[in-house]
Amino acid sequence: NAGVTQTPKFQVLKTGQSMTLQCAQDMNHEYMSWYRQDPGMGLRLIHYSVGAGITDQGEVPNGYNVSRSTTEDFPLRLLSAAPSQTSVYFCASSYSTGTLRTEAFFGQGTRLTVV
Amino acid sequence: KQEVTQIPAALSVPEGENLVLNCSFTDSAIYNLQWFRQDPGKGLTSLLLIQSSQREQTSGRLNASLDKSSGRSTLYIAASQPGDSATYLCAVSRGYGGATNKLIFGTGTLLAVQP
Repeated sequence: NAGVTQTPKFQVLKTGQSMTLQCAQDMNHEYMSWYRQDPGMGLRLIHYSVGAGITDQGEVPNGYNVSRSTTEDFPLRLLSAAPSQTSVYFCASSYSTGTLRTEAFFGQGTRLTVV
Repeated sequence: KQEVTQIPAALSVPEGENLVLNCSFTDSAIYNLQWFRQDPGKGLTSLLLIQSSQREQTSGRLNASLDKSSGRSTLYIAASQPGDSATYLCAVSRGYGGATNKLIFGTGTLLAVQP
């Protein structure tokens, strides 16, 4: 059981370039989300999805785009990379039963540097 | 707006000591609270999940408590070992129906256990 898989693990981009960070989960979780982690700021929510075809913005969505065409995959697109987007990006998934939310499972992260 | 605070930011203890990490949050309307461990350059590993209706959870040498009314959680680590050295993060979950599971993170406590 692979859990949550993120690719690539490391990436260097030039300012203005675009790229897609991949995230896949094999646990049939309905809820998926993207966070960024910056020193002194903790993890902050970028975008999330409650199921295929449904996405919404989190706390820091500007400069990022997402889509969810399948339950398994939730890619994060950087439209025009900026140095302020240098960060570590984490994808997470979980499921719900009524008002209960399961533990969130995280991928190993993508370390992105924009120069 | 929900805010999560972790104190202390860093902690160094000798091997074998029992220790307590603290997490406080400002809004008691949460689904659950989750404690994570993060090793340098790695992803987040879930340690314990406490649903909002529960008071504590235990796993091996770890015990987490939750007091929603006071907005506090503690993570107790018994008989600490050098392998426990890591950053410990707490996160509260909130959402507005459906499967949303937005996590609000604290900035973590960096624990060093000296041999």
